[in-house]
Amino acid sequence: DQQVKQNSPSLSVQEGRISILNCDYTNSMFDYFLWYKKYPAEGPTFLISISSIKDKNEDGRFTVFLNKSAKHLSLHIVPSQPGDSAVYFCAASYTGANSKLTFGKGITLSVRP
Amino acid sequence: SQTIHQWPATLVQPVGSPLSLECTVEGTSNPNLYWYRQAAGRGLQLLFYSVGIGQISSEVPQNLSASRPQDRQFILSSKKLLLSDSGFYLCAWSVGWSTEAFFGQGTRLTVV
Repeated sequence: DQQVKQNSPSLSVQEGRISILNCDYTNSMFDYFLWYKKYPAEGPTFLISISSIKDKNEDGRFTVFLNKSAKHLSLHIVPSQPGDSAVYFCAASYTGANSKLTFGKGITLSVRP
Repeated sequence: SQTIHQWPATLVQPVGSPLSLECTVEGTSNPNLYWYRQAAGRGLQLLFYSVGIGQISSEVPQNLSASRPQDRQFILSSKKLLLSDSGFYLCAWSVGWSTEAFFGQGTRLTVV
């Protein structure tokens, strides 16, 4: 049972354009959502997060939007850069879970120069 | 600052052999520690987590075990590896109720 879903396995965008990475979840208990970026043969690095009491969180070129009613979140990267090319994982957790994260399968983002 | 060390980076082991992967965290006390696995074509799956010395919770039934002999040391083990144990193993830590977890560099395990 996939509680966090990243239905698009890959995304290719032109440098300078916007990248939109989508994520859906099914567990209503989730109240904290995170995005991680992963390069090959390395561990994931934390990118940005959002609490369920918010609908938007912004950090530089990265913005995460949360739509609780639709159980959907998205990561926007503007402008996209070639160094953003990586696998992006959506993850979710809930209060009292001791930071245990449920991950999606990941999206491979390719930014073309 | 906090750092996490995980070794080895790659490992090739025959079926039926034992396994021991080690993870240590520096710069923090009483962290929550986690072992995740990424199998080919799949997301990261939580295998074990620990909130203190000697306290281990298993998330999925499997051929592996975990131990926490010291506050900042987390060990993943197996007595006899299976082919299906191949994957990318990641150690992670977090502090208190914070929900950001920080990952090590990972170990690529290939069971042959």
